Amino acid sequence: EAGVAQSPRYKIIEKRQSVAFWCNPISGHATLYWYQQILGQGPKLLIQFQNNGVVDDSQLPKDRFSAERLKGVDSTLKIQPAKLEDSAVYLCASSLSVGYNSPLHFGNGTRLTVT
Amino acid sequence: AQKITQTQPGMFVQEKEAVTLDCTYDTSDPSYGLFWYKQPSSGEMIFLIYQGSYDQQNATEGRYSLNFQKARKSANLVISASQLGDSAMYFCAMREGNTGGFKTIFGAGTRLFVKA
Repeated sequence: EAGVAQSPRYKIIEKRQSVAFWCNPISGHATLYWYQQILGQGPKLLIQFQNNGVVDDSQLPKDRFSAERLKGVDSTLKIQPAKLEDSAVYLCASSLSVGYNSPLHFGNGTRLTVT
Repeated sequence: AQKITQTQPGMFVQEKEAVTLDCTYDTSDPSYGLFWYKQPSSGEMIFLIYQGSYDQQNATEGRYSLNFQKARKSANLVISASQLGDSAMYFCAMREGNTGGFKTIFGAGTRLFVKA
C-alpha cells in the first residue's frame, strides 16, 4: 500500500512569512495527525482529525497555526506568520482505527527552517 | 507532567550484541497501548512493536522484543543481535484516551549507536 505522502520535503522562509504543508494519508485511514518535532526532541501533537472533524487541537498555537482536512482525506497545515521557533520537522501521520492499539504511520516529514 | 520518560539520551552497543532501551510511562487509564518507533537519520518514523496494557505476554517482532512490566510502568525495548543499520533514534510512545479520541504521546528519544 502507498504510504503517507507529504510535501514539500524542505522549506526555508523568513520570519513573518507564511507557509503551508500538505499531507495525504494512507487510503482508508480515518484518523490524521500533525506533529511538530523540534531538533533533539520527540514529536509533539499539534492537531488530530477524525475524518474531517477535529478531535484534539489543544497544543496548536491557534494565533498563527491553522489546519484543515477537506472531505476527510488530505490535509493542509498553515503557519502565518512564522516565527524563528517554528523551525522544526512537521510530521503527518495516519492510523487505521481509533483504538489504543492502532499504530501511527508517518510520512517523511517537512523540514521547515525560519530565518 | 512527563508521561513518557526515556532516561538514556545516547547508547552504544557492539555489533551483534543485544541492547536494552529504557522507557517508563505514567497513566491512570486501564486501557492503553505502548509503541516503539525508529527514526533513522533520513527522518521517517518507523513503527517497530506494540504492547497492549492487557497483554499477558511480552510482544516480539523479529529481533525486537518489548519487556513489559506493568506494575513498574516500564516498557523497555530489547534489540537482539544489533546491526549497523540499527543506528538511529528510538522513541517510546503511549496511546491512551477514550471513544472521544485517543492521543499518542512520545518520549524524548534515545539515540543508539552500533559499533562495528
